[in-house]
Amino acid sequence: SYELTQPPSVSVSPGQTARITCSGDALPKQYGNWYQQKPGQAPVVVIYKDIERPSGIPERFSGSSSGTTVTLTINEVQAEDEADYYCQSADSSGNNRVFGGGTKLTVL
Amino acid sequence: QVQLVESGGGVVQPGGSLRLSCAASGFTFSSHVMHWVRQAPGKGLEWVAVIWTDGRNKYYGDSVKGRSTISRDNSKDSVYLQMDSLRAEDTAVYYCARERVAPGPYGSGTYLDYWGQGTLVTVSS
Repeated sequence: SYELTQPPSVSVSPGQTARITCSGDALPKQYGNWYQQKPGQAPVVVIYKDIERPSGIPERFSGSSSGTTVTLTINEVQAEDEADYYCQSADSSGNNRVFGGGTKLTVL
Repeated sequence: QVQLVESGGGVVQPGGSLRLSCAASGFTFSSHVMHWVRQAPGKGLEWVAVIWTDGRNKYYGDSVKGRSTISRDNSKDSVYLQMDSLRAEDTAVYYCARERVAPGPYGSGTYLDYWGQGTLVTVSS
């Protein structure tokens, strides 16, 4: 079955830039989305269609795509950004969705 | 405002069955594709199933394929997940989520814009 690969963890100091990658063979054909999940809460979308930011999401969150990798970038990281981040996309058919394994962002 | 409220979770023995429900409000339910996503304790998100607006097309994740059935009743603004032959590894919080279509010049993309708070399913003897 189709898989998306993320690093298990990323650590940054406040004010620095965090980058979280997500790799998958179908990403050149399928858009990637990113969700933030804090403990005890439901996920919230922070980036969709590779680069789009929903209203209400801070401008420091951005997305990019290159080949088989999509990347979530968080500029000037704040303590409140500490959370688990999941990429999500679809397989080559577009019918089956998939989540990456998740990346725990730690703000030192 | 958009609300998704799951119910039906609980403790069930291995091999048993459970039917989860998700009641939607605050939007035109029949216009949206709906999903179930689950999260085992301390683990990541896992996509479970999707159902199209008219209920005709349904797709499942490998872990539940053949053991689960997604359905919807647009007259009741609800989506359901029937789970059979439950296993310990099905223990998880189950979320329903609304799909939103984002059109664009280079093709449409979809994402999950609203999620419920989840219902816990525990499979244990």
